[in-house]
Amino acid sequence: AQSVAQPEDQVNVAEGNPLTVKCTYSVSGNPYLFWYVQYPNRGLQFLLKYITGDNLVKGSYGFEAEFNKSQTSFHLKKPSALVSDSALYFCAVRDYGGATNKLIFGTGTLLAVQP
Amino acid sequence: GAVVSQHPSWVICKSGTSVKIECRSLDFQATTMFWYRQFPKQSLMLMATSNEGSKATYEQGVEKDKFLINHASLTLSTLTVTSAHPEDSSFYICSALIPGDGTDTQYFGPGTRLTVL
Repeated sequence: AQSVAQPEDQVNVAEGNPLTVKCTYSVSGNPYLFWYVQYPNRGLQFLLKYITGDNLVKGSYGFEAEFNKSQTSFHLKKPSALVSDSALYFCAVRDYGGATNKLIFGTGTLLAVQP
Repeated sequence: GAVVSQHPSWVICKSGTSVKIECRSLDFQATTMFWYRQFPKQSLMLMATSNEGSKATYEQGVEKDKFLINHASLTLSTLTVTSAHPEDSSFYICSALIPGDGTDTQYFGPGTRLTVL
């Protein structure tokens, strides 16, 4: 069965510093991986995805993620954090099977950027 | 592009009443939509997959008679919480797939906060 893990409940970083939000996955086939961000009392916003090709994926708001097949990881990164990046971040992997392929979400990582 | 709206954004109702939540794809047609439930500080729990013109597919443990889903058009899916009780209070979020996208990227609505008194 497909699964995704976010080992950190919360990540704290100072504004201007680089940030990393970790995600590892387990899939039986080729992974389709996603990152979403959720601001308080809002739905999820799509940030980026890895389907195939270049291991470094660039997304919205200056975020990027690196697909590492040997480590089965898909960590989210940003070179310089902003206070406005503070939010809840979800990693997701496509679940295979059934008529419609669903997404399996991690438990979420709360990113807190201090001014 | 790929904008999904939900209405209402929040609703308060009395125990025993029914509440309908709408999910609309504004700039694309969505043959498939999903309904999620999210508890405070927790991840999303998939409730059901809504397919246009056919019955919804419910996840295990979700009462289909309590959470009625209708996907009558290519841009609208509705979730009706019937005979709501306080334990149904939650944040309900819908998402939609763009047909032919091939990557299963889901685009989410802003969510609906339901409070049952």
